[in-house]
Amino acid sequence: DAGVIQSPRHEVTEMGQEVTLRCKPISGHNSLFWYRQTMMRGLELLIYFNNNVPIDDSGMPEDRFSAKMPNASFSTLKIQPSEPRDSAVYFCASSLQGAYNEQFFGPGTRLTVL
Amino acid sequence: QQQVKQSPQSLIVQKGGISIINCAYENTAFDYFPWYQQFPGKGPALLIAIRPDVSEKKEGRFTISFNKSAKQFSLHIMDSQPGDSATYFCAARGGTNAGKSTFGDGTTLTVKP
Repeated sequence: DAGVIQSPRHEVTEMGQEVTLRCKPISGHNSLFWYRQTMMRGLELLIYFNNNVPIDDSGMPEDRFSAKMPNASFSTLKIQPSEPRDSAVYFCASSLQGAYNEQFFGPGTRLTVL
Repeated sequence: QQQVKQSPQSLIVQKGGISIINCAYENTAFDYFPWYQQFPGKGPALLIAIRPDVSEKKEGRFTISFNKSAKQFSLHIMDSQPGDSATYFCAARGGTNAGKSTFGDGTTLTVKP
């Protein structure tokens, strides 16, 4: 059974460009999480969805970041316009809804903004 | 505000030794404490988790010790092996925003053969 799928795995772009990261959660999972990992700030939760509805987006750094989940099997994280400080590894994770259920992480997208 | 503090930042242990990583939390509403293991180039993976109704949980060589009154919990890796070399994160969640995990800063463990 496939785990969480993220694409692309690596993205290099120039400052000012739009970046779209994609995630396919594990089938049957109804919670989806977007995280960002950097050396300076560690692992941060950006936003999470329950049943395709955003529940907490307090971690989204600014209006340049937006996330959508149009259906249970797909989510996107968009950065427009991108800046060098957005360079990080972005992880998507999914789980069954509930505080005590395991979150399964995808392999991540390494984003470099030049 | 850092709600979960993890130490040490890095740890070097000889093969066969015991690795100990500590975390402290502030929010008394937290009621689920997972530990994640992350290898380079991979996403974090759940290693072991505990809820505050027990003081210890053991799975193989990995044990979580939990001290509710001190608001501290720790990961013990017995008989550490070179394959355990990875970054370990503690986390906590619960309360009114039960889906939101707060992570520690991570500990890079190196087990020398």
